[in-house]
Amino acid sequence: DTAVSQTPKYLVTQMGNDKSIKCEQNLGHDTMYWYKQDSKKFLKIMFSYNNKELIINETVPNRFSPKSPDKAHLNLHINSLELGDSAVYFCASSQDRGEKLFFGSGTQLSVL
Amino acid sequence: LAKTTQPISMDSYEGQEVNITCSHNNIATNDYITWYQQFPSQGPRFIIQGYKTKVTNEVASLFIPADRKSSTLSLPRVSLSDTAVYYCLVGQLSYNTDKLIFGTGTRLQVFP
Repeated sequence: DTAVSQTPKYLVTQMGNDKSIKCEQNLGHDTMYWYKQDSKKFLKIMFSYNNKELIINETVPNRFSPKSPDKAHLNLHINSLELGDSAVYFCASSQDRGEKLFFGSGTQLSVL
Repeated sequence: LAKTTQPISMDSYEGQEVNITCSHNNIATNDYITWYQQFPSQGPRFIIQGYKTKVTNEVASLFIPADRKSSTLSLPRVSLSDTAVYYCLVGQLSYNTDKLIFGTGTRLQVFP
C-alpha cells in the first residue's frame, strides 16, 4: 500500500480552468502538507494542515484552496489556472508537526 | 531559519564512498540537520537526521562537527541506484519545521 498517494499523476489543462489534486495518507499522521516544485527544482511549502486545521499558508495566491475533509485527506483546488502554475505538486504528511516528512509521488501540472 | 549551501552536483563511480557537505553557518541552538533524497519523478525521501557528532543508519552516516556550522552526508559504496538529488535541511523539530526550506540540493550522478 502506498503511504501517501496523490491523483492524478499528470494533469494537462488550459489556462483559466479549475482543477483539483487529491491526496490521501494511510499512515495515521496528524499533519499534511502541499509543496510546489518549480522548473528549477526548488521545493517550497504551500500549506500545512494539522488535524484538519490550517496551520501554514505561505505566500500562495488565493486561487489555491486546500480542503481537508478528514485527517487522512488534503486536497488542493486551483481556480483560474495560469501558465505560472505549471509545476510538480507534492503532498506530504508527518506524524506531528516537525517530524520527518513522507512525500507522495507528485502531480505534474501543465497549464497550456 | 538557517540557510544551507551545498554543491550543485557531484559525480562518483560505483563502489566509492561519497561525501556531500552542507554549510549552515547560521544554525540555531535548537536546529536539527536533516537530509532527504529525491529520485526523478518521485517525492523526497527522508534519509537521516542528527543534532551533533555522528549518526549512522542502514543507509548513510551523518557527521556534524562541534561547531555545527556544517555537516557531511556519507554514502558508503554507492551504486547506480544512488543517483539522485540530495537535500540538506536545517530547522527545529517544532513549529518552525513546517517551514523547512529545501534548497537546490546536490545532484549526485553515479557512473558504472
